[in-house]
Amino acid sequence: GQQLNQSPQSMFIQEGEDVSMNCTSSSIFNTWLWYKQDPGEGPVLLIALYKAGELTSNGRLTAQFGITRKDSFLNISASIPSDVGIYFCAGPSSGNQFYFGTGTSLTVIP
Amino acid sequence: ETGVTQSPTHLIKTRGQQVTLRCSSQSGHNTVSWYQQALGQGPQFIFQYYREEENGRGNFPPRFSGLQFPNYSSELNVNALELDDSALYLCASSSRGLAGNEQFFGPGTRLTVL
Repeated sequence: GQQLNQSPQSMFIQEGEDVSMNCTSSSIFNTWLWYKQDPGEGPVLLIALYKAGELTSNGRLTAQFGITRKDSFLNISASIPSDVGIYFCAGPSSGNQFYFGTGTSLTVIP
Repeated sequence: ETGVTQSPTHLIKTRGQQVTLRCSSQSGHNTVSWYQQALGQGPQFIFQYYREEENGRGNFPPRFSGLQFPNYSSELNVNALELDDSALYLCASSSRGLAGNEQFFGPGTRLTVL
């Protein structure tokens, strides 16, 4: 099946630092979505990307749809304690399936 | 506007039993997807329902089945439960159209199989 690999697997950063994480796929995606999941809760949609090369911001979050359509990047600027959680990339396949990445766990140290 | 709701919150079953999980979609959404999330992993797509029919399925055996009702709510049924079925089961709703891939998730049902 489809594999979405995220890196890094986990990050420990100081409050105020910027964060970068990425997601790569073995095949082309036409949509990239980024979600954040807190413990015991469902994922929350952060950003949706629909065009190769697209750069979209949502507050301190910025995501980019890679030109090859096989990758995407998420950046968080000036991290704060509530940014703690697991970040997932996700996208639909041509066969009406939906794939999630392996996740990046973010810990922000006050 | 109400969000996606799921019931029950937690459930404990024994191996071999059957379970039914329920999901109410966000208002205005006509598509429901179900996911299984094992501890420490990303959600795995089970299937999607649109217009009361299955519209896409992941790599799950037939003992995982579902229903969608005219009000767009949905059920996930799992027969002959196995220990590995212990997971968080997530429901997501979306609306067909330009933003049809933007799925909004419920809080999940935590299923434990003993």
